[in-house]
Amino acid sequence: DAGVTQSPTHLIKTRGQQVTLRCSPISGHKSVSWYQQVLGQGPQFIFQYYEKEERGRGNFPDRFSARQFPNYSSELNVNALLLGDSALYLCASSVLENTDTQYFGPGTRLTVL
Amino acid sequence: AQSVTQPDIHITVSEGASLELRCNYSYGATPYLFWYVQSPGQGLQLLLKYFSGDTLVQGIKGFEAEFKRSQSSFNLRKPSVHWSDAAEYFCAVVPMEYGNKLVFGAGTILRVKS
Repeated sequence: DAGVTQSPTHLIKTRGQQVTLRCSPISGHKSVSWYQQVLGQGPQFIFQYYEKEERGRGNFPDRFSARQFPNYSSELNVNALLLGDSALYLCASSVLENTDTQYFGPGTRLTVL
Repeated sequence: AQSVTQPDIHITVSEGASLELRCNYSYGATPYLFWYVQSPGQGLQLLLKYFSGDTLVQGIKGFEAEFKRSQSSFNLRKPSVHWSDAAEYFCAVVPMEYGNKLVFGAGTILRVKS
């Protein structure tokens, strides 16, 4: 079975621009979570979606938004990009909403110039 | 404050030597515990997890971890390290009261010398 897939692999944007990152979960997984990993740090939780509804939000500004589609794929949007948004963005999927093992995709490397 | 601590930023071991990576957490209830590994530029791969039951859990690639409630620890071990184990290792928890949000430690970079 295919694992979690993310696109694009790499992305370069300039300050003030907007970006959309995409994630397809493992087949049968209904929960998708997004994490930001800044170089040299552990991943930080951004959002969790389950059955197309937001189930959790981390300590990120409103410039960050996400949604989940009927096929359980998800998009993460970041508006008004800042240099500090440069990071590896990881998507993870799980079967259940709560306390379930999460499986990660390869990530999207975003560079903001 | 509630957190996950990995006290060692870098660890260097010789190939064939044993390995122990430390992880401590500070949450009131016993959380769900995980170890993930990340190779450079890659996503995270699950090594093992502890939800309940036997406190010694076996994972992939010959890794094991032991949960010690009295020490709030979940240390990762491997009896004989291979050069391919060089990577960054993250301990993570899902606090019982926080749904499925993973809270990660800062990671430990493992270097293996031949």
